[in-house]
Amino acid sequence: EADIYQTPRYLVIGTGKKITLECSQTMGHDKMYWYQQDPGMELHLIHYSYGVNSTEKGDLSSESTVSRIRTEHFPLTLESARPSHTSQYLCATKAWGSTDTQYFGPGTRLTVL
Amino acid sequence: AQSVTQLGSHVSVSEGALVLLRCNYSSSVPPYLFWYVQYPNQGLQLLLKYTSAATLVKGINGFEAEFKKSETSFHLTKPSAHMSDAAEYFCAVSARLGRAGTALIFGKGTTLSVSS
Repeated sequence: EADIYQTPRYLVIGTGKKITLECSQTMGHDKMYWYQQDPGMELHLIHYSYGVNSTEKGDLSSESTVSRIRTEHFPLTLESARPSHTSQYLCATKAWGSTDTQYFGPGTRLTVL
Repeated sequence: AQSVTQLGSHVSVSEGALVLLRCNYSSSVPPYLFWYVQYPNQGLQLLLKYTSAATLVKGINGFEAEFKKSETSFHLTKPSAHMSDAAEYFCAVSARLGRAGTALIFGKGTTLSVSS
């Protein structure tokens, strides 16, 4: 079954640690996105990718970085986590030429102490 | 630039009552509009979408929404609320995003509470 996977689902980590949030998909979609969602707030786009070896920053400035070496994999990395990075991170995909419908993974809730 | 405004951050209804969640959008081009639902500790699930076909759009779980260009609105309704409808609801509009085509601009969300 086609799906979007995010790991870990929950992460509590100390300040200064390097972390990588994983996003993988079996949807066969070429476009992938990372959104940041604070409690009670809208989603903000922080990174996106058109396909392999293409990445761009979104509307919301983020200290995180992403890579797209394989179509199905779009990891997000924070080199040095800080309490201000505490948030929920949602990964999404979209098929080329579709009516803009994005499909979302279950999210990773990150807490930085 | 495209934007979305959801009126009412919290809506409470009784089980069996009408659900009405309001969404107004701003777009310089004919928009694609979406409603997503988010249950606690989960990702977003597509409820329905408007893509310039019929103005009344039917979605999953008995929800529907009507696109009204003159009012720049895309309100979400359900005739009879169920306890399982309690969740966060997000309205979104598509926006151009460089070479990637489009991205979604989201409203701040509306929390729906359903009481028995």
